[in-house]
Parts: sequence; structure tokens; C-alpha cells
Amino acid sequence: EIVMTQSPATLSVSPGVRATLSCRASQSVSSNLAWYQQKPGQAPRLVMYGASTRATGIPARFSGSGSGTEFTLTITSLQSEDSAVYYCQHYNAWPATLGQGTRLEIK
Amino acid sequence: DVRLLESGGGLVQPGGSLRLSCAASGFTFSDYAITWVRQAPGKGLEWVSALTASGRNTYYADSVKGRFTISRDNSRDTVYLQMDSLRAEDSAIYYCAKSFWDVPRGYFDCWGQGTLVSVSS
Repeated sequence: EIVMTQSPATLSVSPGVRATLSCRASQSVSSNLAWYQQKPGQAPRLVMYGASTRATGIPARFSGSGSGTEFTLTITSLQSEDSAVYYCQHYNAWPATLGQGTRLEIK
Repeated sequence: DVRLLESGGGLVQPGGSLRLSCAASGFTFSDYAITWVRQAPGKGLEWVSALTASGRNTYYADSVKGRFTISRDNSRDTVYLQMDSLRAEDSAIYYCAKSFWDVPRGYFDCWGQGTLVSVSS
């Protein structure tokens, strides 16, 4: 089973700046990597797939990069509505495991 | 509009059973795999069980193997999760999620709103 490790556990940033979230896979997952956003009391929502393709309705402030074992989700011009927990998930093989999440707090 | 709607959660005693349902709408249900993902209070997401679009292949996390059974009725656009021998550690919000493909090995492009399962005496 591929283990997904996210860092940092919590990220606290000011509005208007950039946030960088990291995700590492224990073995190569090619570009089969997705990101989800979960706000308090809500179900997760797909943000990114194929490591760098934004899902429907996701603003261009969100971008993804990486391949193999190292991936990054970058959110520029942070807004209060971006406050959430972000999970990465590989889908290169079954089980398609998820990371433990990064909590993004907007100061 | 693609939608998933879970139901069937509730409070049950340890050792008891529940059957969760996930009703789909807005897409050709029989073309896509479905996965159940749970989230214990204050914790992260954990996949529980999945099945292929046809329903012929099923998958279970080790933590629920032998106790949970996943199935689907493509004529009713519904997936079920039969949960037996429930334990306190099964307490969580249970989400069903639609895979992008006909097999579970895909990202989840739609999630339901979740149903809460509480296992307590």
C-alpha cells in the first residue's frame, strides 16, 4: 500500500499571500494524484486531478505540480474562503490512499 | 447535476448492524465505480469499501473485512454498505464517492453529504 504524507500539518497564512502545501508518496504514482478541499461541516470537494488539472469550478488561483513522489498544491492570493483541510490522494493503484491532510488557516 | 445522497446512519449498540444507502442521480450510474470513505470525529479520511461499476469486484479495508459488505443495484442507481458486528471505532461520518472510472482506482469527482454512524452502548 502506498503511503501518502502531507506537510505541514497546519499552515497559517495571511490573506493575499501564497500557500504551498506538499504531498509525498512512498513510491512513484506518476501523475495520478488528486487534491481535495474539505471545509468544516462539509463533504470533501475535488480540487485538482492528474496532479495539475483543476476540477470544474476551481479558480485559477489554485495550481498543482509534481510527478513521481513529490507534489505541491499552491494557492495564490489567499482568501478567507480557502480556509479548509486539504487532502492529497494517489490513484495509481488500489487502494487509492489519502494523506492525513493539511489544515490551512487564514489569519 | 451529479448527486449522491447517503442515508441509513444512526446510533447503534456495539455488535449491532446498519445498512447505509447511497442514491445517485444526474449521471449514468452503471458506468462508474463507487467507494465508501469514512471520517471519524476530528480525523482524516479513510477509504472503507469500494466496488466496480458492474459490481462484480469488491474491495475492503482490513479494518472492516469480514464485517462489512458492499453491493449495488444498478436498476435503482443505489449502492449499499451492510455493516455488521459494529465497533466503537466504526463511529464516523460515512461518505459515498463516485470514481472517475468504472474501477475504484480513480479520483473521486463527486461526494455525497455523508451520513453519521455512532456506535455506543
